[in-house]
Amino acid sequence: KQEVTQIPAALSVPEGENLVLNCSFTDSAIYNLQWFRQDPGKGLTSLLLIQSSQREQTSGRLNASLDKSSGRSTLYIAASQPGDSATYLCAALMDSNYQLIWGAGTKLIIKP
Amino acid sequence: DVKVTQSSRYLVKRTGEKVFLECVQDMDHENMFWYRQDPGLGLRLIYFSYDVKMKEKGDIPEGYSVSREKKERFSLILESASTNQTSMYLCASSFWGNSAYEQYFGPGTRLTVT
Repeated sequence: KQEVTQIPAALSVPEGENLVLNCSFTDSAIYNLQWFRQDPGKGLTSLLLIQSSQREQTSGRLNASLDKSSGRSTLYIAASQPGDSATYLCAALMDSNYQLIWGAGTKLIIKP
Repeated sequence: DVKVTQSSRYLVKRTGEKVFLECVQDMDHENMFWYRQDPGLGLRLIYFSYDVKMKEKGDIPEGYSVSREKKERFSLILESASTNQTSMYLCASSFWGNSAYEQYFGPGTRLTVT
């Protein structure tokens, strides 16, 4: 059964730093890997989606990579800002049934 | 832009009450989903639907039922609410024509059962 893990559960860094959030999955039979952002008490905003045939996707200061063979994805945030403070979730879409399997999220705090 | 709306942002109900959570999407999506989100557990799929009047159980369907009478609307029903159903409930939709099967989420309903 697919398990998606995000470590650390929480992270606090000073403004301006580059940082990496990690997502690992146990079953490599994924259709794609998605990263979402969630602000406190709010719904989810899609950030980046990487198809299984791709290695990375970029949007502004965000870059997501995917290594299916090692079961890992990373979300790189460049030049972090206080507005980046949120919980970041990754989710793997399974090949078998097209259902999303979710990590528990990393709560990110950017200190001014 | 895709818009997914949920009937309430916050809801407080008593144990034993029947609770309806409504979700509406305006983009003619075939697929609709109900998740619950609890701290440290991530999102867990309750039920989903691939078509009108069609429903499939997700990972945690016990204590819930759903209704999809119209394509744009997917309702989650708690027949007899219990305190362990206190949670954030998120609705999502997607369509088959999107090769990425990307899901679009509503703002969520925070339900408290006392």
